[in-house]
Amino acid sequence: GAVVSQHPSRVICKSGTSVKIECRSLDFQATTMFWYRQFPKQSLMLMATSNEGSKATYEQGVEKDKFLINHASLTLSTLTVTSAHPEDSSFYICSARSPRGENTEAFFGQGTRLTVV
Amino acid sequence: GQNIDQPTEMTATEGAIVQINCTYQTSGFNGLFWYQQHAGEAPTFLSYNVLDGLEEKGRFSSFLSRSKGYSYLLLKELQMKDSASYLCAVQDSNYQLIWGAGTKLIIKP
Repeated sequence: GAVVSQHPSRVICKSGTSVKIECRSLDFQATTMFWYRQFPKQSLMLMATSNEGSKATYEQGVEKDKFLINHASLTLSTLTVTSAHPEDSSFYICSARSPRGENTEAFFGQGTRLTVV
Repeated sequence: GQNIDQPTEMTATEGAIVQINCTYQTSGFNGLFWYQQHAGEAPTFLSYNVLDGLEEKGRFSSFLSRSKGYSYLLLKELQMKDSASYLCAVQDSNYQLIWGAGTKLIIKP
């Protein structure tokens, strides 16, 4: 099946610094990728939809200036958490769907556990 | 609003059968997915239903009733490795996935 690779899997950073998370589709071209955040014992919360070659679409309540998304190629999307604070500590997961059609499964990256100290 | 309901937690015995229910109210319906998520890991795909009825895949089966806004995931011959969270997700009229909070399944020997 299709593979989505996410890096890094874990990162610890100091408050006020920025962290970049990469999401790659390894065997298909993803014009659209999705970024989720998941707090412990909670559901996946869609943060934004990343569109190749255009601006990302952010969900209500998600600060676009804080969570910068770049989708410069058909196989790579990046999420940068700027000026991170402890409340940004969470599990961040990217996802992509094969362009075969709308009713296709979503493939997930391995997730990134971000801890801001 | 859009809403997906699943039980928070369930416990079952190794070798037994368990059914995890999911009810939904969404703006449109274009299929329902079940995913398995082990702690600290990303979700992995289990099944997809878009028509009413039962889809069987090995030890796992998934059922859908669109008129009732209801689905269930049936796990047979439970193994310890089945201990995980099971997420129900509905694809709405815009083909966006709406996720349930997940059901934590605990398997006891």
